[in-house]
Amino acid sequence: GNSVTQMEGPVTLSEEAFLTINCTYTATGYPSLFWYVQYPGEGLQLLLKATKADDKGSNKGFEATYRKETTSFHLEKGSVQVSDSAVYFCALQRGSTLGRLYFGRGTQLTVWP
Amino acid sequence: DTEVTQTPKHLVMGMTNKKSLKCEQHMGHRAMYWYKQKAKKPPELMFVYSYEKLSINESVPSRFSPECPNSSLLNLHLHALQPEDSALYLCASSQEDRSTDTQYFGPGTRLTVL
Repeated sequence: GNSVTQMEGPVTLSEEAFLTINCTYTATGYPSLFWYVQYPGEGLQLLLKATKADDKGSNKGFEATYRKETTSFHLEKGSVQVSDSAVYFCALQRGSTLGRLYFGRGTQLTVWP
Repeated sequence: DTEVTQTPKHLVMGMTNKKSLKCEQHMGHRAMYWYKQKAKKPPELMFVYSYEKLSINESVPSRFSPECPNSSLLNLHLHALQPEDSALYLCASSQEDRSTDTQYFGPGTRLTVL
């Protein structure tokens, strides 16, 4: 079946530290992969996406590369800010499942000044 | 513009009340979704509409009744809810329901059932 595994949180970092949030997936065929971010009290915002192998999604200093050989889509940022504190969800989507998004459990990130 | 709007932002209702949640998008998207999100959990899919037709119902109890009056609007009618239905209800839309189509989420309605 289709599933996403995210690293357990919470993750606590100091400002300007390097961030990695691991995400691996299980799916048949060629899913699209997404990272969404949810700030406190808000809905989900798309952070970045990749639709095929070796694609790199990037936005606001965050990056993730679609690695088919390791079935991974790890999120990275070189220098985090306090404003990056939020919950991050990795997700996959397959067309044969009519647009159904499969989410990971979410990783809470807290950045201290 | 990738905005999905939801009203109301907060809703408190008793178990005998009838209320509705509203979702709207003006991006020309043809697929719309309802999700339920409990605290510290990922969203769970409830319903999918594709071209104004219900295409997925994730075995949601009948006390939740979705409606898609037109391609821009999605409603969720609530009746005889239980306290465990308290959650954040998120609406999303996408161009269509293909795997490459990004889902854009609204800010959600925080529902409390007393």
